[in-house]
Amino acid sequence: QKEVEQDPGPLSVPEGAIVSLNCTYSNSAFQYFMWYRQYSRKGPELLMYTYSSGNKEDGRFTAQVDKSSKYISLFIRDSQPSDSATYLCAMSAKDTGRRALTFGSGTRLQVQP
Amino acid sequence: EPEVTQTPSHQVTQMGQEVILRCVPISNHLYFYWYRQILGQKVEFLVSFYNNEISEKSEIFDDQFSVERPDGSNFTLKIRSTKLEDSAMYFCAGERGANNEQFFGPGTRLTVL
Repeated sequence: QKEVEQDPGPLSVPEGAIVSLNCTYSNSAFQYFMWYRQYSRKGPELLMYTYSSGNKEDGRFTAQVDKSSKYISLFIRDSQPSDSATYLCAMSAKDTGRRALTFGSGTRLQVQP
Repeated sequence: EPEVTQTPSHQVTQMGQEVILRCVPISNHLYFYWYRQILGQKVEFLVSFYNNEISEKSEIFDDQFSVERPDGSNFTLKIRSTKLEDSAMYFCAGERGANNEQFFGPGTRLTVL
């Protein structure tokens, strides 16, 4: 079983739609959860950061962590064509001394105008 | 806003040659990382560096690789004898240390012929 699983997509939605992106993981030691956006051949850009379980909102983005189900989500409201990119989930077990991020394979999102 | 910078943006080398990839992290960052992303694959951790020494490394980071922070600002990754399978995007990342938010540079695309 992979440590972090993410549906590769592509996910195609019309402009203005609500987008839901998800990852599951197997390592219960993961406590720190991040979402990155990556444009083609560019570096990952940090979008959201969450510690342990719960929700976090920042503008049009909401991150959710359900540690009991080992499931994290990123919601994008009022999606825009400029949101078209690959979205990567990443997580770490920093509290056990492992600061390195383990990434999902990324979900490619296309927002159609 | 300060950003992580990396040079060169693209490096082409012959198999067996040595390459040095350079990064200038954000000045108040304490932890530094190298990750790589083979085309079409997930971002993979290579090594982390803290307080002038390696703090964590993956199984990918074998004797072919080394890291240095020679002058307190630059952070380098050296690959001693490149192989075809070293062709990838290499990303440097930095972290302040209060939490685990890692900020990535734009990457160096390494092509080994």
